[in-house]
Amino acid sequence: DSGVTQTPKHLITATGQRVTLRCSPRSGDLSVYWYQQSLDQGLQFLIQYYNGEERAKGNILERFSAQQFPDLHSELNLSSLELGDSALYFCASSVETTGQPQHFGDGTRLSIL
Amino acid sequence: SQKIEQNSEALNIQEGKTATLTCNYTNYSPAYLQWYRQDPGRGPVFLLLIRENEKEKRKERLKVTFDTTLKQSLFHITASQPADSATYLCALYQAGTALIFGKGTTLSVSS
Repeated sequence: DSGVTQTPKHLITATGQRVTLRCSPRSGDLSVYWYQQSLDQGLQFLIQYYNGEERAKGNILERFSAQQFPDLHSELNLSSLELGDSALYFCASSVETTGQPQHFGDGTRLSIL
Repeated sequence: SQKIEQNSEALNIQEGKTATLTCNYTNYSPAYLQWYRQDPGRGPVFLLLIRENEKEKRKERLKVTFDTTLKQSLFHITASQPADSATYLCALYQAGTALIFGKGTTLSVSS
């Protein structure tokens, strides 16, 4: 058990809809990362927050946004969903930001119909 | 452009043998290189971290080497077991950037 909790485990929705994925980091970790994993693209970094502030951005679409709250949990919002957004979305956490090991949740599987 | 390449083919070996997985990179100057294990439907699990000034790191049956001249890391699992079957991901950290993952190598150990 990594200590990182992601909800929901599965999400099925339709194109054009909006969803929110939630992540609770491991106790004591200040940094939260979001990744998208699809079969052909591997694990793609989306965005990182550290202690409530955005720290780094990857290939995150404008339709996607995230935030980290004062209690350090984080949410990833995906809007105007397209078929290609179907993927596994992982959250990870670490104590700080400088390339330390990351602890991953078991992901949210998003299916767009 | 920046690239991380892992063995593109799946690796199939017999129980008891040593599995060697390769991670090559171009146009990176990583401060750290990490290896993770991922089982189907689960999140990656951290295994080992090696710094740019370290040549080799060991943990139980696992060994990682890091050659910054060759721009390559090798990941070895000795005395492999069927339970080692999984996908193994290498990841690079370069100052000022996020951790970037390779696509992984799927290892299958048969008894």
